[in-house]
Amino acid sequence: GQSLEQPSEVTAVEGAIVQINCTYQTSGFYGLSWYQQHDGGAPTFLSYNGLDGLEETGRFSSFLSRSDSYGYLLLQELQMKDSASYFCAVAFSSGSARQLTFGSGTQLTVLP
Amino acid sequence: DTGVSQDPRHKITKRGQNVTFRCDPISEHNRLYWYRQTLGQGPEFLTYFQNEAQLEKSRLLSDRFSAERPKGSFSTLEIQRTEQGDSAMYLCASSPYGGGSNEKLFFGSGTQLSVL
Repeated sequence: GQSLEQPSEVTAVEGAIVQINCTYQTSGFYGLSWYQQHDGGAPTFLSYNGLDGLEETGRFSSFLSRSDSYGYLLLQELQMKDSASYFCAVAFSSGSARQLTFGSGTQLTVLP
Repeated sequence: DTGVSQDPRHKITKRGQNVTFRCDPISEHNRLYWYRQTLGQGPEFLTYFQNEAQLEKSRLLSDRFSAERPKGSFSTLEIQRTEQGDSAMYLCASSPYGGGSNEKLFFGSGTQLSVL
């Protein structure tokens, strides 16, 4: 099976930098994704790491270390609108299917 | 791009009744997923289609759950003899098939099921 661990809550102030860590265990692993979900909304894709290293998309960056089964999402210049739940998700192969298993999510609260 | 649409947005039913949800994926996407999400948890995988073929189904999924994707377009998820534990948000997602590394799922807004 798959297991993912990420902190349940993180609080930071506007303009700050926050890092959300994710550790995972899975077979057939081929990548780590991050999704954002606002209250009452649908999850939306933020980033994907298929290879080790850092991927940068605007204020958001994501990192993966396959050897450590570890990744993180880095949010810079925090804004109030970044208050949301953030999910890491492992992409893996299961038979002929490709699946995505989500973690329990990290609730980020951005304070003024 | 009209996005992934799900119908209905909300469904209230009595225990023991059957319910059916519909998902219309983005038109050119041939992968379709169903997930279930409860409050404070991440989406939980239910089943996956590639075109009309159901390639994977969660082992945690009861026989009361069935999904179809006739003609590889829209999909339906049916829950028979609903139980209170089935109360959750049911999310549909789609993605294009490709060999690229961008495993990006596009989610619909979900159907919130309440079983009384």
